Amino acid sequence: AQKVTQAQTEISVVEKEDVTLDCVYETRDTTYYLFWYKQPPSGELVFLIRRNSFDEQNEISGRYSWNFQKSTSSFNFTITASQVVDSAVYFCALMIPYSGAGSYQLTFGKGTKLSVIP
Amino acid sequence: GAVVSQHPSRVICKSGTSVKIECRSLDFQATTMFWYRQFPKQSLMLMATSNEGSKATYEQGVEKDKFLINHASLTLSTLTVTSAHPEDSSFYICSARPPPQGKNYGYTFGSGTRLTVV
Repeated sequence: AQKVTQAQTEISVVEKEDVTLDCVYETRDTTYYLFWYKQPPSGELVFLIRRNSFDEQNEISGRYSWNFQKSTSSFNFTITASQVVDSAVYFCALMIPYSGAGSYQLTFGKGTKLSVIP
Repeated sequence: GAVVSQHPSRVICKSGTSVKIECRSLDFQATTMFWYRQFPKQSLMLMATSNEGSKATYEQGVEKDKFLINHASLTLSTLTVTSAHPEDSSFYICSARPPPQGKNYGYTFGSGTRLTVV
């Protein structure tokens, strides 16, 4: 069975601080995909990134960066110089691409609520 | 590209009535769509996987007769909450898996439907 753990329930930072959101996953499959989504107060989920299990390169996109480490089964997300607009709930998710029941389903972590204080 | 439209965004209904929620893929064909339910301050829980032209696959504990899913075309899936009760009040959100578009793509989510049963 798959499992995603986001141990940080809520984080508060002051604007311009850096913040890292942790994500630890569990799976026995060797092929899998990891995702991060942002859910602002409006409710819509906004896709941020996808990473497959064979690509351990870190990713940087503007103020966002992701650190994928298979050795520790972690896929952490860092926001540099945080802004008030970053305030949202962030979800990490895992997907196993196989045929049959449960294929391509996303398993979500419980989410981390980030509050950026001006 | 890869836009999913979900309607209505909010609905209030009387206990005992039925409510239909629509999820449309606007610029791609979605053979598979997913329906989630999210309680306040909680993560997304998968309710069912909707497959075009076939019966939906429901997760354990989800009542098939209560939550009717129809995926009659490659661009439309509907979720009908039948004989709604106050405990059905929740945020319902659909998702579709778009075709791969290069290195980085993710599941696209609708904007969600907040159902309140009074």
